[in-house]
Amino acid sequence: DADVTQTPRNRITKTGKRIMLECSQTKGHDRMYWYRQDPGLGLRLIYYSFDVKDINKGEISDGYSVSRQAQAKFSLSLESAIPNQTALYFCATSEARKNTEAFFGQGTRLTVV
Amino acid sequence: GNSVTQMEGPVTLSEEAFLTINCTYTATGYPSLFWYVQYPGEGLQLLLKATKADDKGSNKGFEATYRKETTSFHLEKGSVQVSDSAVYFCALSSRSGGGADGLTFGKGTHLIIQP
Repeated sequence: DADVTQTPRNRITKTGKRIMLECSQTKGHDRMYWYRQDPGLGLRLIYYSFDVKDINKGEISDGYSVSRQAQAKFSLSLESAIPNQTALYFCATSEARKNTEAFFGQGTRLTVV
Repeated sequence: GNSVTQMEGPVTLSEEAFLTINCTYTATGYPSLFWYVQYPGEGLQLLLKATKADDKGSNKGFEATYRKETTSFHLEKGSVQVSDSAVYFCALSSRSGGGADGLTFGKGTHLIIQP
């Protein structure tokens, strides 16, 4: 089983719909992140959480919200999806120490039509 | 703030050719540097890393040396294979800024190896 699991892997939704992307991890890491990948733009940070009670906005948080339900679970919501939110979304985790690497899920490909 | 600049792709090479993908960075403090690889349809995997100046990270025949004087972390491989075809991301992590201890990524370089 993967250490960082994202569901669903693929999703097509309509403009204006609410959608939730889920992430769970078995690595025991305190820190979790949501990134968005767009062609030619690399990965951009949406939200990050250092523990269950600590959630912070990243570079591109507008139009998104998150919930850290437990140490192992971190979900990303699009309250009212729009077409320019069509992208590949990645969840990642890391240890709570300086300059450590992140571990990524397989990604969720979201299409908003 | 922190930033990472890497060469634009796609980069197309023949099998057994020498590979260099350039990466330079701007960061406050003393960042750690990473190369991630993304194979088609998959998430990002850590390829190698270096945590201080002059460190060399290596894995699967790939190498990169942390050059503080030129703020660079170029990825090299002496003889590429078709299976190396992927997107490669240079990234940094610094407590002093940029993504609050998350990673700051370059835009990625798509590498295509032809048989």
